[in-house]
Amino acid sequence: KAGVTQTPRYLIKTRGQQVTLSCSPISGHRSVSWYQQTPGQGLQFLFEYFSETQRNKGNFPGRFSGRQFSNSRSEMNVSTLELGDSALYLCASSLTPTGVSYNEQFFGPGTRLTVL
Amino acid sequence: GESVGLHLPTLSVQEGDNSIINCAYSNSASDYFIWYKQESGKGPQFIIDIRSNMDKRQGQRVTVLLNKTVKHLSLQIAATQPGDSAVYFCAENSGPGGFKTIFGAGTRLFVKA
Repeated sequence: KAGVTQTPRYLIKTRGQQVTLSCSPISGHRSVSWYQQTPGQGLQFLFEYFSETQRNKGNFPGRFSGRQFSNSRSEMNVSTLELGDSALYLCASSLTPTGVSYNEQFFGPGTRLTVL
Repeated sequence: GESVGLHLPTLSVQEGDNSIINCAYSNSASDYFIWYKQESGKGPQFIIDIRSNMDKRQGQRVTVLLNKTVKHLSLQIAATQPGDSAVYFCAENSGPGGFKTIFGAGTRLFVKA
């Protein structure tokens, strides 16, 4: 079974631009969560989607948004990029939403975003 | 590979020794805890989990201990191998109205051959 895939793997943008990252979950998984990982803040939860609906959101500004499609693929968008948005963005999928049952989240390799 | 964290607590052990990685969690209402391993250039990988109604759970070469009184979690790795070198995160599920997985800062494990 193929794992979680994220595209692109690496991205370089400049301040003020916007970016869209993509995540394809494991086949059959309907929950997708996004995380930001930085050396200073560690892994921080961005949001979770299940059946095309956002179930939960972390403490990030409105510049960070996401969506999920009917095939469970998810995208996240960051508008008006700032230097501090440079990070590894990780996507994780699971069968059911976190909180519904105790089920394992499978992480993708991440997208490394660098904002210049 | 990519750096997960440049200023993480570090544990250095000799190959074959046992490793113990500790974690303090924040929310006394959390009832599900997970340990993840993250190797350079990869996303976190599930190692073992434990629910709050247990205080110990064993897997293959790994054991997780939970002390709810002091909100402490530990991961024990038996006969540590060079392939165990990675950053280890504990995570707790908490949050009203649905779970948010909150990750600890991580510990970098170096295994000396």
